[in-house]
Amino acid sequence: AQSVTQPDIHITVSEGASLELRCNYSYGATPYLFWYVQSPGQGLQLLLKYFSGDTLVQGIKGFEAEFKRSQSSFNLRKPSVHWSDAAEYFCAVRNYGQNFVFGPGTRLSVLP
Amino acid sequence: EAQVTQNPRYLITVTGKKLTVTCSQNMNHEYMSWYRQDPGLGLRQIYYSMNVEVTDKGDVPEGYKVSRKEKRNFPLILESPSPNQTSLYFCASSLRDRAPYEQYFGPGTRLTVT
Repeated sequence: AQSVTQPDIHITVSEGASLELRCNYSYGATPYLFWYVQSPGQGLQLLLKYFSGDTLVQGIKGFEAEFKRSQSSFNLRKPSVHWSDAAEYFCAVRNYGQNFVFGPGTRLSVLP
Repeated sequence: EAQVTQNPRYLITVTGKKLTVTCSQNMNHEYMSWYRQDPGLGLRQIYYSMNVEVTDKGDVPEGYKVSRKEKRNFPLILESPSPNQTSLYFCASSLRDRAPYEQYFGPGTRLTVT
């Protein structure tokens, strides 16, 4: 069965600092990979996705993620965090015909 | 505007009183799904549907029912709610046959069962 781990439950960074959120998945083949963001009291918004091609993908709000097959990872990065980035971030995987599996989430706090 | 809508957004009910949470999408998506979100557990899939009249269990289906009689609607039914079903529920939809199948989420329904 597919599984997704996000090792960091909570991360705090200062505004303007760089950010990397970790995501590892367990699956036999290359799955489709996603990062979603959930602001407090809101629904989920898609940040970016990977399904083939260039392993470095760009998303909205200045985020990017890199797929590393050898490490089964899909880490999310941002070079300079803004206070409005404080939210919960979810990594998710899916293959056609399979369940959509989410990680437990990483809560990001941003210090002024 | 392309969207997934859920109703109600907030619901407080008592144990055993049947309830239905509606979900509707206007994007002609084949795939629809229900999730519950609990602190520290992320989103867990309850049921999903690949098309009309086709539904399947997700990871946590116990205590829930669904139906898919129309392509746009996918209601979640709790026939006898219990306090452990207090949670935040999300409906989502996506294309079924076109990668990468990213899902579009509704705004959520916060359910409290007392």
